[in-house]
Amino acid sequence: DQQVKQNSPSLSVQEGRISILNCDYTNSMFDYFLWYKKYPAEGPTFLISISSIKDKNEDGRFTVFLNKSAKHLSLHIVPSQPGDSAVYFCAASAQTGANNLFFGTGTRLTVIP
Amino acid sequence: KAGVTQTPRYLIKTRGQQVTLSCSPISGHRSVSWYQQTPGQGLQFLFEYFSETQRNKGNFPGRFSGRQFSNSRSEMNVSTLELGDSALYLCASSPTGPTGELFFGEGSRLTVL
Repeated sequence: DQQVKQNSPSLSVQEGRISILNCDYTNSMFDYFLWYKKYPAEGPTFLISISSIKDKNEDGRFTVFLNKSAKHLSLHIVPSQPGDSAVYFCAASAQTGANNLFFGTGTRLTVIP
Repeated sequence: KAGVTQTPRYLIKTRGQQVTLSCSPISGHRSVSWYQQTPGQGLQFLFEYFSETQRNKGNFPGRFSGRQFSNSRSEMNVSTLELGDSALYLCASSPTGPTGELFFGEGSRLTVL
């Protein structure tokens, strides 16, 4: 059973526009959420995280929003750049800071120049 | 600072064989986690080691095992290989204590024939 779901396998966005990647989770015990980015032939790299005590966290062009009541989080990238083209994984933890993460299946973002 | 190093990068085995994968974490990182990535399931947590002790274990059969050495290097072993074990095996390290922010290697791609 997939406790973290990314229902959109792919997303295409024009350069300069906003990219919105979505993630849903089912386990109400999750209290820490992360986004990772993966380029081909590389391991995933940490992008941004958010604790369940917050509903928004921003880092430069990247903002993560958390809606606990809907068990939904989203990653906004503004403005999108061609270098952002990658697979984005949403991940969650049932213990803040724990290293056993539950990952979604990923969304492939393509930013069109 | 050198990143997480995994060896071998690619390997082919046949059903029933066993395989050992190696991971050298970032210098100073004491936690090493292993994940299995398959197209349909995304990344799934296998286990985590910290100071030579298994700290967390995912929902995988006993054929999957691991260990960590005093220098924090880690190995994972899969015995009696099955076709479904074909996957990308990712190792990740993190600094002292659980942070959830993992530094991944490039992975070892295992193909079972």
